[in-house]
Amino acid sequence: DGGITQSPKYLFRKEGQNVTLSCEQNLNHDAMYWYRQDPGQGLRLIYYSQIVNDFQKGDIAEGYSVSREKKESFPLTVTSAQKNPTAFYLCATQGSGANVLTFGAGSRLTVL
Amino acid sequence: QQQVKQSPQSLIVQKGGISIINCAYENTAFDYFPWYQQFPGKGPALLIAIRPDVSEKKEGRFTISFNKSAKQFSLHIMDSQPGDSATYFCAALSGATNKLIFGTGTLLAVQP
Repeated sequence: DGGITQSPKYLFRKEGQNVTLSCEQNLNHDAMYWYRQDPGQGLRLIYYSQIVNDFQKGDIAEGYSVSREKKESFPLTVTSAQKNPTAFYLCATQGSGANVLTFGAGSRLTVL
Repeated sequence: QQQVKQSPQSLIVQKGGISIINCAYENTAFDYFPWYQQFPGKGPALLIAIRPDVSEKKEGRFTISFNKSAKQFSLHIMDSQPGDSATYFCAALSGATNKLIFGTGTLLAVQP
């Protein structure tokens, strides 16, 4: 929403498969974030990137990978090593010097 | 020390009533406290925010009360409406790290 496009909105995956969630932004924001949302657990930070070609692990990075080759894009790969990947994934951006995050509409991943 | 504790987990309020959601934190380095509103299937959106040098901030029917000495802040929704039914997250940001720490969320249902 508001300049952040997450795709796909819904994704089904078989166990053992890697999947990549896309996050594209046209807000010219420097920082981008990936959060995972589970019922009753709030928003947990997976990875974040404050500049191109650099990213940092968040609180629950195991089983996930990211890249930041372009300012506009911050894809998240959910690997087969992630033991419980079924969740709602949210991408967010933050402008330079700004306090607030702007969120995308999310991607819901279901592992069958 | 990085946690933000939010309560209650869920809340049911009658139309026209006051909804109150509470949050508490430990880290005195936090210097910005936003509240986010999330509707089902959507990403969170910034609702209202406060800095610790202010004890109260009001925007329409939404008010943040902030108690710096107790390290607590709360969201009050006056004249609650069914359209306010959503999940609300409090958050805290440290200017030093520029990372937002989220509470676990409160699911609000306003009954007509």
